[in-house]
Amino acid sequence: SQKIEQNSEALNIQEGKTATLTCNYTNYSPAYLQWYRQDPGRGPVFLLLIRENEKEKRKERLKVTFDTTLKQSLFHITASQPADSATYLCALGPGSGGYQKVTFGTGTKLQVIP
Amino acid sequence: DVKVTQSSRYLVKRTGEKVFLECVQDMDHENMFWYRQDPGLGLRLIYFSYDVKMKEKGDIPEGYSVSREKKERFSLILESASTNQTSMYLCASSLWVRSDRDLNLQHFGDGTRLSIL
Repeated sequence: SQKIEQNSEALNIQEGKTATLTCNYTNYSPAYLQWYRQDPGRGPVFLLLIRENEKEKRKERLKVTFDTTLKQSLFHITASQPADSATYLCALGPGSGGYQKVTFGTGTKLQVIP
Repeated sequence: DVKVTQSSRYLVKRTGEKVFLECVQDMDHENMFWYRQDPGLGLRLIYFSYDVKMKEKGDIPEGYSVSREKKERFSLILESASTNQTSMYLCASSLWVRSDRDLNLQHFGDGTRLSIL
């Protein structure tokens, strides 16, 4: 069955450095991959997506790469700031059970230290 | 902007009670979802609805039911609450997806943290 893995351990990084989060998947060939941000006590908020035929997407300080051979997406935040501290979720689409759904990873908590 | 509103941020109920969680979206989305989120387990889909009165089981439907009488409103019902249903419940909505190449962007509410005592 479809499986998505994100590093369950928190990622601590110094302010100003580049944070890199990983999303690996198995038993699946997604048409697109999304990244969401979730702050404590809030719902996830969509940030960025990348399609299977795209290698890289950028939005301001965010960059996403998608390697369908490695079955991996990397999410980069450059010049990280304490305000970037949150949990980041990746999601594959279409999800298992049909294209009205997406399948979420467990998320990685990012802590940016001033 | 799409707004998904969940009726309660925090809720405390007792074992055996019937519990209703309400969700309303204001963007005329066809799809609505209920997830629960637990540490280490991520977001798990409980139920999904793609139209009024239509519903589909997700990955963990046991102990839950749903109701969608109006397009903008999707209710999650815990028929007889149990302690293992203590969790964060998230509602989401999205547009109808026409093919496996169409994007499915999920818009979430802020969640209901439910405690069953």
